[in-house]
Amino acid sequence: DTGVSQNPRHKITKRGQNVTFRCDPISEHNRLYWYRQTLGQGPEFLTYFQNEAQLEKSRLLSDRFSAERPKGSFSTLEIQRTEQGDSAMYLCASSFQGSYEQYFGPGTRLTVT
Amino acid sequence: AQKITQTQPGMFVQEKEAVTLDCTYDTSDPSYGLFWYKQPSSGEMIFLIYQGSYDQQNATEGRYSLNFQKARKSANLVISASQLGDSAMYFCAILRGNEKLTFGTGTRLTIIP
Repeated sequence: DTGVSQNPRHKITKRGQNVTFRCDPISEHNRLYWYRQTLGQGPEFLTYFQNEAQLEKSRLLSDRFSAERPKGSFSTLEIQRTEQGDSAMYLCASSFQGSYEQYFGPGTRLTVT
Repeated sequence: AQKITQTQPGMFVQEKEAVTLDCTYDTSDPSYGLFWYKQPSSGEMIFLIYQGSYDQQNATEGRYSLNFQKARKSANLVISASQLGDSAMYFCAILRGNEKLTFGTGTRLTIIP
């Protein structure tokens, strides 16, 4: 399977703990996006990378959130000191620069108790 | 800023009937793209159809067609001959350049046998 993959698929954590999610994009894609989807809403943009450079961050991305894409391949999204409001589905997508279509992964569902 | 409005939170349609899902958008950009994604209960966002703002003809992909009315800023999705497997959440989204997607709140479509 050469699609976008995300790990873990589900994560349950206690408030105050740190969590890290991983996204592996389609190998030829140089753009990688993170979105967050809360219950009953559409996905909301968090941040995106072109190769290893983080080009834009949403104001939704508080200082507890950090994303990296070392070497322009996989990406990680870390949430420090999790809060119950962080409970959501975290979606990753990738695309070619110059192509309009973003391919989404299956998402990581985070539950903060 | 860009905005997508989907006014139908839920729809129930008899199997084999056609269904239209509404989407209106707001943007000041002259160049943009409109998308429809399907999200089944598994959570993955599945690309259905794309319409560029300068495309003269309405996009079609198999049973899916996009009724694009630029002057009205409308981009409705039409699904012909609905099937039970079409039951899912449907999201309309707008893309500026090759950057972030802005999604609507979605419509939950239920196909009745």
